[in-house]
Amino acid sequence: EAGVAQSPRYKIIEKRQSVAFWCNPISGHATLYWYQQILGQGPKLLIQFQNNGVVDDSQLPKDRFSAERLKGVDSTLKIQPAKLEDSAVYLCASSLIFRDREAFFGQGTRLTVV
Amino acid sequence: AQKVTQAQTEISVVEKEDVTLDCVYETRDTTYYLFWYKQPPSGELVFLIRRNSFDEQNEISGRYSWNFQKSTSSFNFTITASQVVDSAVYFCALSEHTSGGSYIPTFGRGTSLIVHP
Repeated sequence: EAGVAQSPRYKIIEKRQSVAFWCNPISGHATLYWYQQILGQGPKLLIQFQNNGVVDDSQLPKDRFSAERLKGVDSTLKIQPAKLEDSAVYLCASSLIFRDREAFFGQGTRLTVV
Repeated sequence: AQKVTQAQTEISVVEKEDVTLDCVYETRDTTYYLFWYKQPPSGELVFLIRRNSFDEQNEISGRYSWNFQKSTSSFNFTITASQVVDSAVYFCALSEHTSGGSYIPTFGRGTSLIVHP
């Protein structure tokens, strides 16, 4: 079974530039998550999709971050414009729709904003 | 208030020692789910265990064991006879019901385990 795919693995941009991350979840997983993991901290949920609808985006900085999940499969997370404090690993995860199912994580995209 | 507390930032042991990683959680829900994940240096979080709030049975899987105690809101993880390959950051997570009707997982800050040969 293929895992959660993310690209790119690494990205370095200057502050105020834009960046986009892509995620392809495990086939059949209706729930998709984007997490931000700052160095030395646990993952923080940014947004949760169920199929192509948003379940929770309460911690997404909507003035600069946006995410979409077209057709309930792939998802993109965008930052525009980036700030220095956005430097982190962005993790995508997916799970079956049931509330107690574990999430399967991708390897993440390490973003460095200089 | 922090929903998941992993008070141990870093633990260093010598191979073959037993080690326990602590996790204390906070929730008002009666139905919730607890998880442990392992994050090796490669960065990908690997699922280890899931436990629901109605099942307080301890679980053992090889060298891993988990102690869930609702009375103290704790879900501790023990590795017996640790090995170098156990070196990683371990995260405890809580999934609880939100006012919007969904279950949102929240992670602790993680405990870095270093096992020396």
